[in-house]
Amino acid sequence: DGGITQSPKYLFRKEGQNVTLSCEQNLNHDAMYWYRQDPGQGLRLIYYSQIVNDFQKGDIAEGYSVSREKKESFPLTVTSAQKNPTAFYLCASSTVVGNEQFFGPGTRLTVL
Amino acid sequence: LAKTTQPISMDSYEGQEVNITCSHNNIATNDYITWYQQFPSQGPRFIIQGYKTKVTNEVASLFIPADRKSSTLSLPRVSLSDTAVYYCLVGGPYSGAGSYQLTFGKGTKLSVIP
Repeated sequence: DGGITQSPKYLFRKEGQNVTLSCEQNLNHDAMYWYRQDPGQGLRLIYYSQIVNDFQKGDIAEGYSVSREKKESFPLTVTSAQKNPTAFYLCASSTVVGNEQFFGPGTRLTVL
Repeated sequence: LAKTTQPISMDSYEGQEVNITCSHNNIATNDYITWYQQFPSQGPRFIIQGYKTKVTNEVASLFIPADRKSSTLSLPRVSLSDTAVYYCLVGGPYSGAGSYQLTFGKGTKLSVIP
């Protein structure tokens, strides 16, 4: 089955630790995205990637980093510099940036 | 940057048609309007996309007036399973130059009542 997967579903970390969230897609999409969602709020764009080895900051990139070494993978690292990392993180992909996005199931990160 | 505004919440009875409007006064010439549906603790799901006039698919219709400063998502005969948050997204194809502007609205929470 084609789709986009995120792991783990739930993640707990201690304050001050970096943590990496996984996102994999087998849809052969060039574009991938990371969003953050806080309770009762909409989606805010963290980073997006148009193509392998290229990525751009979104609206709230501070405290986050990404890499795009493979077309299928777009991992997100939440660094200790992120002031309020506890949130629901969503990864998405599309054929090209701007087209219909397919979302993963999300990772709920809790920093204790 | 095309900012979007939607009603925070709406209630509807089962079987009724629901219309959710999104305002996007600063929409750019190349921008499309896309609507997504999101259930709690899940990723959003694409519903419909349009550029102008009317678009219809098997689940919804999208009405866009000539000035494109707003759009209306129409859900015919809603059921309890349509209870969700609906997001309006305005954005266009990426030219590859500069940063990409992608704006999600805050979403409309639709509650369908039996």
